[in-house]
Amino acid sequence: GQQLNQSPQSMFIQEGEDVSMNCTSSSIFNTWLWYKQDPGEGPVLLIALYKAGELTSNGRLTAQFGITRKDSFLNISASIPSDVGIYFCAGQLISGGGADGLTFGKGTHLIIQP
Amino acid sequence: NAGVTQTPKFRVLKTGQSMTLLCAQDMNHEYMYWYRQDPGMGLRLIHYSVGEGTTAKGEVPDGYNVSRLKKQNFLLGLESAAPSQTSVYFCASTQRVTDTQYFGPGTRLTVL
Repeated sequence: GQQLNQSPQSMFIQEGEDVSMNCTSSSIFNTWLWYKQDPGEGPVLLIALYKAGELTSNGRLTAQFGITRKDSFLNISASIPSDVGIYFCAGQLISGGGADGLTFGKGTHLIIQP
Repeated sequence: NAGVTQTPKFRVLKTGQSMTLLCAQDMNHEYMYWYRQDPGMGLRLIHYSVGEGTTAKGEVPDGYNVSRLKKQNFLLGLESAAPSQTSVYFCASTQRVTDTQYFGPGTRLTVL
C-alpha cells in the first residue's frame, strides 16, 4: 500500500514560534489533507489541498500541495497554547474506481512550552 | 445536527468475544468509513461503504465485518476478538469522495 512519511515525529517549541511539518509519499495523491487531533477526539480537518502547487491558508495555518503530488507541508505561525495536539497529513487518490479512503501519516506531536 | 456519533465510547472484551460498533451520521452522507488508530500510528482504513447496502475492504480488513443496511448507519463487527484488535476505532462520513471526511469521537476497545 501507499506509504506516507511525516516529519518530525514530535516538536517541542516555545509559544510564539513558527512551526513547520511535512509529509512525503512513495506515490502520488490528487488530494492532500491536514488534520489536527486533540486527546480523546477524532481528527478535525484543518486544510484541504486539491491541486498540485496549491498554497492555501487558514488563519495562522498555511499548507502547500507539492508540484510532484508526492509531498505537502504545513506551517503554523506564531504558535499559541491551543495549537498543542497531534497533526496528521493524509493523502487521497481518487480514481474512476471510486471512493478511496485516506492514507494517513503517523502524525506530528506538537508540544508548546510557555 | 449531531454529525458523526459512535457507540460505545469504551469497551473491554475478552479474547474470542464478539461485539458490534455502531456509527451513525445525520448528514445524509453517501460514503462512510471505519479506521483504526494504534499508538504512534496514523489512522488505517478497515472497511468503507459507498452507499446503502454496499461495503468494500480497506487496507486492514482481516478480522472485521461491516454492514450498511441503512444509509445513516455503518456497523463494524468483530466476530472473535483478538488482543491485536485493541485500538481506537474511528468512523468517518462524507457526501462525495472529493469532500471532507467528518470523523466521529472514536471508540476505545481493549481486548484482553
